[in-house]
Amino acid sequence: DGGITQSPKYLFRKEGQNVTLSCEQNLNHDAMYWYRQDPGQGLRLIYYSQIVNDFQKGDIAEGYSVSREKKESFPLTVTSAQKNPTAFYLCASTPLTGPGAYGYTFGSGTRLTVV
Amino acid sequence: AQSVAQPEDQVNVAEGNPLTVKCTYSVSGNPYLFWYVQYPNRGLQFLLKYITGDNLVKGSYGFEAEFNKSQTSFHLKKPSALVSDSALYFCAVRALNSGNTPLVFGKGTRLSVIA
Repeated sequence: DGGITQSPKYLFRKEGQNVTLSCEQNLNHDAMYWYRQDPGQGLRLIYYSQIVNDFQKGDIAEGYSVSREKKESFPLTVTSAQKNPTAFYLCASTPLTGPGAYGYTFGSGTRLTVV
Repeated sequence: AQSVAQPEDQVNVAEGNPLTVKCTYSVSGNPYLFWYVQYPNRGLQFLLKYITGDNLVKGSYGFEAEFNKSQTSFHLKKPSALVSDSALYFCAVRALNSGNTPLVFGKGTRLSVIA
């Protein structure tokens, strides 16, 4: 079955550590996105990529980094510069053309906690 | 700039009664509108979308939404609520001719259906 897979489901980070969240899709979607979800704040865009080897900052990119070396993969690194990383992170993908354009498919999320 | 407002943080409905979850939007030009649902500790699931055509859009699980251009609204409705409809609902928008800009999401409305 086609889909989008996020791993791990739960992740614990110590102060000063960098951690990487995985996002893989086998839907052949062009674009991929990372959102952060905090209670009462909805979804806030961190980074997005519409093509391999290219990505753009979203509204809250500070303290995060991404790469898009393959169409299927869009990992997110939470760096030590992100002072309040505890949140639920969601990855999404979508085709950019055709009848399904912008109908995002979301992964199941990664819950990151600072310990 | 694109924006979405979901004016109610919480909506409570008795099972079997009709439900409405409100959404208003602001875009330059014609909108591309979506509703998504999120169950606890899961990613968002697509419910329905509006691009053009009939103002009443039917989606998954018996949900529908009415596009009202003059009121810039896209309210989600269901004739008879089920306890299993209890979840977090997000409205999202982008301008139809805005290149490949990402969706902008509202802050979400928590729906509780009481038996």
